[in-house]
Amino acid sequence: AQSVTQLGSHVSVSEGALVLLRCNYSSSVPPYLFWYVQYPNQGLQLLLKYTSAATLVKGINGFEAEFKKSETSFHLTKPSAHMSDAAEYFCAVSVRSGNQFYFGTGTSLTVIP
Amino acid sequence: IAGITQAPTSQILAAGRRMTLRCTQDMRHNAMYWYRQDLGLGLRLIHYSNTAGTTGKGEVPDGYSVSRANTDDFPLTLASAVPSQTSVYFCASSDSEAGGPRDTQYFGPGTRLTVL
Repeated sequence: AQSVTQLGSHVSVSEGALVLLRCNYSSSVPPYLFWYVQYPNQGLQLLLKYTSAATLVKGINGFEAEFKKSETSFHLTKPSAHMSDAAEYFCAVSVRSGNQFYFGTGTSLTVIP
Repeated sequence: IAGITQAPTSQILAAGRRMTLRCTQDMRHNAMYWYRQDLGLGLRLIHYSNTAGTTGKGEVPDGYSVSRANTDDFPLTLASAVPSQTSVYFCASSDSEAGGPRDTQYFGPGTRLTVL
């Protein structure tokens, strides 16, 4: 079975500070991993995804994530937070043998001016 | 602008009533999905369809049914609504040949449903 754990349901950072949102996954087979962002009253949008190519994945809006198999992690980072980054972030996992996606419970990011 | 539309935007429904949430996409994607989003639980898959004419059950299918008569439409029906179905419902689609697990999902704006 596959699952995703996001540590920290709420994260606050100052504008210009490093953003680090944590995601750990559980999967018995090699996973595909995703980060989605949800702005208020909107649907989810893809930030980036890992599909077994490079372990460091770059996404939109300056975000990136690194797949670490030994740590079963796929943490999302951005060097310098912007006010517009305030949103809900979801990590998700799927596997080659299936067609279902499993989402984490989400992390709400607040950016303090 | 191409994408996914959902209707209604929001709805308040009496328990026991039947309700259909509509979802239409104009991207010609083969795979479509219905999720519910609840505070503290994230998104959970209700039903999916890999291609027109086929559907499958997700993580929380009980109390819901879907149909996929054509590529563009994927309605979700609550036959007899209960308060525990109060949630925000998102429709999504992906562009692979058969709902591949590496595909990006594109989400609609959601339907906020309250069952009293």
